Amino acid sequence: LAKTTQPISMDSYEGQEVNITCSHNNIATNDYITWYQQFPSQGPRFIIQGYKTKVTNEVASLFIPADRKSSTLSLPRVSLSDTAVYYCLVARETGANNLFFGTGTRLTVIP
Amino acid sequence: NAGVTQTPKFQVLKTGQSMTLQCAQDMNHEYMSWYRQDPGMGLRLIHYSVGAGITDQGEVPNGYNVSRSTTEDFPLRLLSAAPSQTSVYFCASSYGGSSTDTQYFGPGTRLTVL
Repeated sequence: LAKTTQPISMDSYEGQEVNITCSHNNIATNDYITWYQQFPSQGPRFIIQGYKTKVTNEVASLFIPADRKSSTLSLPRVSLSDTAVYYCLVARETGANNLFFGTGTRLTVIP
Repeated sequence: NAGVTQTPKFQVLKTGQSMTLQCAQDMNHEYMSWYRQDPGMGLRLIHYSVGAGITDQGEVPNGYNVSRSTTEDFPLRLLSAAPSQTSVYFCASSYGGSSTDTQYFGPGTRLTVL
């Protein structure tokens, strides 16, 4: 399964839009890009999933270019409560035992 | 729904002791799994189950046993605790067994082995 590469950490001021880019060069045709969020002392929580182009929900947007070798998670107008670790994963329908959580991106929102 | 619950929240063991970490879900999910998370690292899969009576090993299964006698419960047993098992343990469940299915995680159990 394709591994992902994402920045180790990012800082942002409150109210700004934050974009976290993830690289997945070896993504396969039947792979999906999935993002999870983990607050301190909590388990990860699903944010968004997409296959191509753009997906938007009440929490975030996910942009996937045509070649699908990267993706960008966009968080609009972040607040202090968005401080968390964000994991980019490549998911395949063949088995949940193939989910790989890397070290993620630690986002710190500054007042 | 309570979602995924884990007990205890914290536990301290001495080397060689055994214990069971409890995990339960009330969402009628078929798939359940256990992960461990060490400082500065992502989550690593220990064991998983695709349904009652079926379990399999993940990436780091040594030193752990699991069983799945009911759909709701998926306990993780440490047979003889070692300091290397000091970690935060997360249980997760999903409706199906695909990695594209949303995984619901419990709050975690922080285990320290002295």
